[in-house]
Amino acid sequence: NAGVTQTPKFQVLKTGQSMTLQCAQDMNHNSMYWYRQDPGMGLRLIYYSASEGTTDKGEVPNGYNVSRLNKREFSLRLESAAPSQTSVYFCASSVERGSSYNEQFFGPGTRLTVL
Amino acid sequence: KQEVTQIPAALSVPEGENLVLNCSFTDSAIYNLQWFRQDPGKGLTSLLLIQSSQREQTSGRLNASLDKSSGRSTLYIAASQPGDSATYLCAVKSSGYALNFGKGTSLLVTP
Repeated sequence: NAGVTQTPKFQVLKTGQSMTLQCAQDMNHNSMYWYRQDPGMGLRLIYYSASEGTTDKGEVPNGYNVSRLNKREFSLRLESAAPSQTSVYFCASSVERGSSYNEQFFGPGTRLTVL
Repeated sequence: KQEVTQIPAALSVPEGENLVLNCSFTDSAIYNLQWFRQDPGKGLTSLLLIQSSQREQTSGRLNASLDKSSGRSTLYIAASQPGDSATYLCAVKSSGYALNFGKGTSLLVTP
């Protein structure tokens, strides 16, 4: 059981370049998330997917697109990278039991630098 | 908007001490609260989840309590060890999809 996996672990881009961050989970969870973590800001939600084929914007969606390819995979795409997108990106998935139980599990992160 | 605050921001204790990390939140209408551990350069590891109807959860040397009405949670670590050194994050699930995270408490346990 690998849990939540992310690729790549590190990436350096030039301003204007594009790239896709990949995420996969093997826990059969319906919900998946993309967060970014910045110093002094905490973690903030970029996008969320409740199930295959559905996505919703989070707190900071500008400059990003997502794709929920199937139940296992949820990718994050930067179409034209900007220095403000330098951050650590975390993918998560969650198990939900009713309205009061939503436990999220996180991947190891992708450290992205945009020059 | 739900605001989550963690105090202290950093803490250094000698090995063997019992310690308490604090988390407060502004909106008591929560579904659950989750404590995470983050090692430098690594992802988040879920430690404990407390549902809104629960008062506490225990896992090994860790005990987390929840007082929803006062907007507070504490994480108690018994008999601390150098391997407990990490950043501890508190996150609250309210309405919507996201967890609202605090900025964390950086813990250093010295031998």
